[in-house]
Parts: sequence; C-alpha cells; structure tokens
Amino acid sequence: AQSVTQLGSHVSVSEGALVLLRCNYSSSVPPYLFWYVQYPNQGLQLLLKYTSAATLVKGINGFEAEFKKSETSFHLTKPSAHMSDAAEYFCAATSGGSNYKLTFGKGTLLTVNP
Amino acid sequence: KAGVTQTPRYLIKTRGQQVTLSCSPISGHRSVSWYQQTPGQGLQFLFEYFSETQRNKGNFPGRFSGRQFSNSRSEMNVSTLELGDSALYLCASSFIGEETQYFGPGTRLLVL
Repeated sequence: AQSVTQLGSHVSVSEGALVLLRCNYSSSVPPYLFWYVQYPNQGLQLLLKYTSAATLVKGINGFEAEFKKSETSFHLTKPSAHMSDAAEYFCAATSGGSNYKLTFGKGTLLTVNP
Repeated sequence: KAGVTQTPRYLIKTRGQQVTLSCSPISGHRSVSWYQQTPGQGLQFLFEYFSETQRNKGNFPGRFSGRQFSNSRSEMNVSTLELGDSALYLCASSFIGEETQYFGPGTRLLVL
C-alpha cells in the first residue's frame, strides 16, 4: 500500500527566508505526486504536480519541488517566504491508471513570522 | 471555467440523523472523488465515481454511500450520524486520463 510521510507537522520561518517542506513516499512504482495548499476554512488548492515529465517541477506562487527517486522524496521549496504563504501544505500520491485515490500526508502547517 | 462547487457549505445535525452532501464537478470532468478531513485522521479517501459507477472505495463503514448522476454531479450520504462523523467533506473532480484532482471548498459537517 502506498504511504506518504511529511516530516514536521509545523514549520516556522521568517519572511524572506527559504521554505522547505519535506515529503517522502513509499511505493513500489514511482507514483504521481502532488502538493496542495489549504488556507483556513477553504478546500485544497493545487500547487504543483509530478507526472514523470521532469524531475524539477515548478508550481504557482513561486513554489517548486524536486522528485528524487533514489531518496523517494518530493520536497517543496520556495526561495523567499511571504506572509501570504502561511497555510497548511499537503503532499499526496496516486499510482495513476484507473486508480483515482489520493493518499495524503498528515500535512505541514507553515507559519511565516514578520 | 467554474471550479468544483459543493453545497451546503455548513451543516449541523444531531446523532442518528442522516445527511446528503452535493458536489458539482468542473465542466467536462467525469470522475468525482470524496474525501473526509478530520484533525485526528487527516485526509481520507471515501470513494470515487465515474460514469455513475463507483470505481474505488475507501475503508469506511456502509453508512457512507454515494452516487453520481448522468451529468456527473455527485452526492454522498451519511446515515445514522455519529459524533465522529464531524468533519470537512471534500469533493474533487478529474478529467479522465489525467491524474490531477481539483478540489471544491468542502462541506463542514458538525454532528451534535
């Protein structure tokens, strides 16, 4: 069974600092990987996705993630944090094909300090 | 293009009642999935529908059911509500052949 692990339930950074949110997956085959962001009282917004076309994926709002098969990781980064980045971030995976089930990590709450 | 819409946005029910939640997918999307989000369990997959057929199902009791209509709109029903059913219920839609799921704003259910 597929599993997704997000290291750190809470990450705090200063405005302008590097954001690094960690995600590791467990799968017998490289899955399709996603990062979603959730603002308070809202649904999930897609930040970016890996679908095997390129290992470095750029998303919205300046975020990017690198797929590393050898490390089974898909960490999310942003060079310079902005106050508006404060939210909860979820890493998710699916095996694709006719399987539309997303397996999510527990989420990482990002706070940005002025 | 309009996003995924869910109604109602908020619901308060009492134990033992039943509830029906509605989801309208993005135009052209024919796959609809449902997820439950709670502070303790996180985001968990409920089920997925395509062409009015349930194709995938998560590990939830039979009190949780769903259906999909010919226009791809979907409903989920929870019967005999329990306090633990209090959660944010998220609907997501996908274009067939594409793995990406797009989420709606969710329905927040409170069971008293």
